[in-house]
Amino acid sequence: NAGVTQTPKFQVLKTGQSMTLQCAQDMNHEYMSWYRQDPGMGLRLIHYSVGAGITDQGEVPNGYNVSRSTTEDFPLRLLSAAPSQTSVYFCASSYQTGTVFGYTFGSGTRLTVV
Amino acid sequence: ILNVEQSPQSLHVQEGDSTNFTCSFPSSNFYALHWYRWETAKSPEALFVMTLNGDEKKKGRISATLNTKEGYSYLYIKGSQPEDSATYLCARNTGNQFYFGTGTSLTVIP
Repeated sequence: NAGVTQTPKFQVLKTGQSMTLQCAQDMNHEYMSWYRQDPGMGLRLIHYSVGAGITDQGEVPNGYNVSRSTTEDFPLRLLSAAPSQTSVYFCASSYQTGTVFGYTFGSGTRLTVV
Repeated sequence: ILNVEQSPQSLHVQEGDSTNFTCSFPSSNFYALHWYRWETAKSPEALFVMTLNGDEKKKGRISATLNTKEGYSYLYIKGSQPEDSATYLCARNTGNQFYFGTGTSLTVIP
């Protein structure tokens, strides 16, 4: 099992460019989510999905879109990158939705917007 | 936003010392409290999931306790080793959302 795979690991974008951060899991997890990690801010939830075809916003959704067409994949799209989106992005998946579950995290994508 | 707070923000201890740090969270609408260990350049790794008031979990030299009524959890490390150096995150989940604290950065000095 590969677990949660994120690509790319590093990316530099110019302001206004668009890109998609890829996330795939092979554990048949229902729940997937995207976080960004900024100094002094901890991990903040961007979007999450409780299953194929279902997505919802987290704490900081502005500037990001997601879709969940399959159980395995949960891409994060930046439509028009801004310097404020410079961050480290983590995708995570979980075996269970509802009251109690634990995450498996991807290895992260370090994004710089210049 | 449901704030999860961790203290201290960072900690330096000598090898062999025991240490502990705190995670505080709103006690209302509680489902579970999670602890993660996060080494530099790696992704967070789950340590414990606790759900019931009074829960205690242990994994080797690391243990955790939970008080849901007053809204706090302690993480203890007994006889710290250099390989324990990492950031320790706690997170509270309410249904489908996780709220993370900013972490406690632990450095164990050989």
